Amino acid sequence: GDSVTQMEGPVTLSEEAFLTINCTYTATGYPSLFWYVQYPGEGLQLLLKATKADDKGSNKGFEATYRKETTSFHLEKGSVQVSDSAVYFCALSDSGGGADGLTFGKGTHLIIQP
Amino acid sequence: DVKVTQSSRYLVKRTGEKVFLECVQDMDHENMFWYRQDPGLGLRLIYFSYDVKMKEKGDIPEGYSVSREKKERFSLILESASTNQTSMYLCASSLLNKDYGYTFGSGTRLTVV
Repeated sequence: GDSVTQMEGPVTLSEEAFLTINCTYTATGYPSLFWYVQYPGEGLQLLLKATKADDKGSNKGFEATYRKETTSFHLEKGSVQVSDSAVYFCALSDSGGGADGLTFGKGTHLIIQP
Repeated sequence: DVKVTQSSRYLVKRTGEKVFLECVQDMDHENMFWYRQDPGLGLRLIYFSYDVKMKEKGDIPEGYSVSREKKERFSLILESASTNQTSMYLCASSLLNKDYGYTFGSGTRLTVV
């Protein structure tokens, strides 16, 4: 079945550092890929997405490129802020068109220190 | 602002109680989902629904049931709560085309004592 693998952390960085959170996936067909963010005490929010190979999703300074050849969707940001501290989830939606749920990674806890 | 609203942020229930978790969305979405979130296990799908009165089992349906009598409302039912059901429960909704992504509620943290 489908699966998503990401580092769980915690990942601790200083403010203004460069961020990479790796995400790789296993899926049949051509899934859509997502990054969600969860701030403390909240539900998940869609951060960005890409629906086909070589697409780049971007939002709030974060970017991720859909790499079919390496089955990856790594999240990057050039200069992180304390307010970026959260848990980040990579997820995929299979291409079957059904209503079944997204497949999520286990989440990466990011801590940004001032 | 479009929303998925979960009726309670925190609940404490006793073992053996019947527990109802309610979720309402105002986006006219076809799909609705219930997940539970546990440390080290991530998000796991309990049940989902793609239409009124329709329901499908997810990955961990044991001990749970659901009800969708109206398009905007999706209820999760714990028939007889147990301590291993202590968790964060997240409701989500989406259009039939999942490529648009999901909208999540803020979650209900349930403690069963």
